[in-house]
Amino acid sequence: QKEVEQNSGPLSVPEGAIASLNCTYSDRGSQSFFWYRQYSGKSPELIMSIYSNGDKEDGRFTAQLNKASQYVSLLIRDSQPSDSATYLCAVEYNFNKFYFGSGTKLNVKP
Amino acid sequence: KAGVTQTPRYLIKTRGQQVTLSCSPISGHRSVSWYQQTPGQGLQFLFEYFSETQRNKGNFPGRFSGRQFSNSRSEMNVSTLELGDSALYLCASSPRGLLGQERYGYTFGSGTRLTVV
Repeated sequence: QKEVEQNSGPLSVPEGAIASLNCTYSDRGSQSFFWYRQYSGKSPELIMSIYSNGDKEDGRFTAQLNKASQYVSLLIRDSQPSDSATYLCAVEYNFNKFYFGSGTKLNVKP
Repeated sequence: KAGVTQTPRYLIKTRGQQVTLSCSPISGHRSVSWYQQTPGQGLQFLFEYFSETQRNKGNFPGRFSGRQFSNSRSEMNVSTLELGDSALYLCASSPRGLLGQERYGYTFGSGTRLTVV
């Protein structure tokens, strides 16, 4: 059974703080990992992808991957109220076949 | 550049009926995937089509089927609808090909919200 686990939250952080979102997965053979953001009533949109161990930065977002621990995280620096959304972790178990976590709801308080 | 277009946006059907949902991917994208999203189960993979062939399939019953046309447009069909099929159905397209381009993720459509009564 392929599993992708995320804390459902809500995770509340004050404006300007760092939000840390975590995801664990069960299949050691997984190679590609993605983070999507989904606003209420909208469809998911791709934020970041990561494939190699370590950190990958894109603007205020940093994705971190540790394949040995089967752990991927997303850091959002200088959090803004507009970042309030549900963040979905997606793990590619087979080529073009993804398993999504249930998502972590983030609330950024002004 | 047009995004992923799904029609219709909303549907209300009766148990036992069948329904067809449509998806037009981003121009040039040949990979189209379908997902079911519910509050309890989250996003669940239905199937993926590439160049008119089903390349991947999730763990859904045979009542759920799909196809892809030569212009990459895709349709999803659900027969003998059950109350539990009520969900948001999302189509996602990707520029991924047979090899390479693995680092591209999805672009999702706005979804079709299906209500079965």
